Amino acid sequence: DSGVTQTPKHLITATGQRVTLRCSPRSGDLSVYWYQQSLDQGLQFLIQYYNGEERAKGNILERFSAQQFPDLHSELNLSSLELGDSALYFCASSAAGGLNTGELFFGEGSRLTVL
Amino acid sequence: AQKVTQAQTEISVVEKEDVTLDCVYETRDTTYYLFWYKQPPSGELVFLIRRNSFDEQNEISGRYSWNFQKSTSSFNFTITASQVVDSAVYFCALSTYSSASKIIFGSGTRLSIRP
Repeated sequence: DSGVTQTPKHLITATGQRVTLRCSPRSGDLSVYWYQQSLDQGLQFLIQYYNGEERAKGNILERFSAQQFPDLHSELNLSSLELGDSALYFCASSAAGGLNTGELFFGEGSRLTVL
Repeated sequence: AQKVTQAQTEISVVEKEDVTLDCVYETRDTTYYLFWYKQPPSGELVFLIRRNSFDEQNEISGRYSWNFQKSTSSFNFTITASQVVDSAVYFCALSTYSSASKIIFGSGTRLSIRP
């Protein structure tokens, strides 16, 4: 158990809909990362928050947004969903925010299926 | 640009054989970190090791060992006396100073250990 909690574990929705994925980092970790894992794109970095502020941005679509709340949990919002958004979405946390991050601790992922 | 290449898409060996997973990375940064993660069939990503660019000392942890060679930009992972429980997808990853806190993952190697 990594200590990172993601909900929901599975989600099935239709094209055009909007969903919210939630992540609670390990106790004491200030950084939260979101990754998307799909068969054709592999593990893609989406975005990172550190102590409530956006720290780094990757290949995140404009239809997607995220935030980190004062209690350090984070939410990833996916809107106007397309079939290609079907993937496993991972949240990870780490203690620090920069290069000295050390290892990331990953949650079990949220599997999104868009029909 | 930063890049991680895992040329071996799939490897299948018989239990108790030794197996090496290759990882080649590209970066112009002199300060960087290399990682290996394991993704078992259950789906979560499990941290195995982190290495910084200034420490080329090889590491051994039980049946696992890692060979870091800056001269060939490689960070290979060897499992000795493989076991069925080692079956998983293994990811090599890179984080560099210029990429801030993004950790870039290779495409993964699916390892199957046959009884």
